[in-house]
Amino acid sequence: NAGVTQTPKFQVLKTGQSMTLQCAQDMNHEYMSWYRQDPGMGLRLIHYSVGAGITDQGEVPNGYNVSRSTTEDFPLRLLSAAPSQTSVYFCASSRSYEDNEQFFGPGTRLTVL
Amino acid sequence: AQSVTQPDIHITVSEGASLELRCNYSYGATPYLFWYVQSPGQGLQLLLKYFSGDTLVQGIKGFEAEFKRSQSSFNLRKPSVHWSDAAEYFCAVGPGNNNDMRFGAGTRLTVKP
Repeated sequence: NAGVTQTPKFQVLKTGQSMTLQCAQDMNHEYMSWYRQDPGMGLRLIHYSVGAGITDQGEVPNGYNVSRSTTEDFPLRLLSAAPSQTSVYFCASSRSYEDNEQFFGPGTRLTVL
Repeated sequence: AQSVTQPDIHITVSEGASLELRCNYSYGATPYLFWYVQSPGQGLQLLLKYFSGDTLVQGIKGFEAEFKRSQSSFNLRKPSVHWSDAAEYFCAVGPGNNNDMRFGAGTRLTVKP
């Protein structure tokens, strides 16, 4: 099993550009989520999904969109990048909403100039 | 709302020495508590978790943590640190479902030879 994979590993954007961060898992997990990690702030939840076709907002959803058309994939879209979105982004998955053992991907480091 | 405080941003210990990482939480009910480890360039990995029962919890890689309700603490310990333990450690608290989990800001551990 590859576990949770994320692409790209690094990305530099200019303000106003859009992009999609890819996340995939091969564990048949129902629950998937996106976090951002900023220095001194720990991880904060952006969006999550409890199954294909179902998504919801987390703590810091503004400026991001998600969709979940398949169980395996959960892409995160930045609509119009801003410097405040410079961060490290982690995708995670777990068997279910209540299963707290989340498996994390290796992260995407995004810089917005 | 729940919150987590990790008072130590950075700790340095010698290899073979004991380790204690502090975690204090604020939560209105009985919390679900977690410790995660993040090795450089990697995603987070679950070390251990506490839901109920015995307040001393054993985890992977020789780590343990003790839940002290009276002190609102969930400190992580290891009797003898190895160089491979150098990483960042995150404490998290939640009600039992993933989207309400809150992470601390992390403690970076350096291990001296």
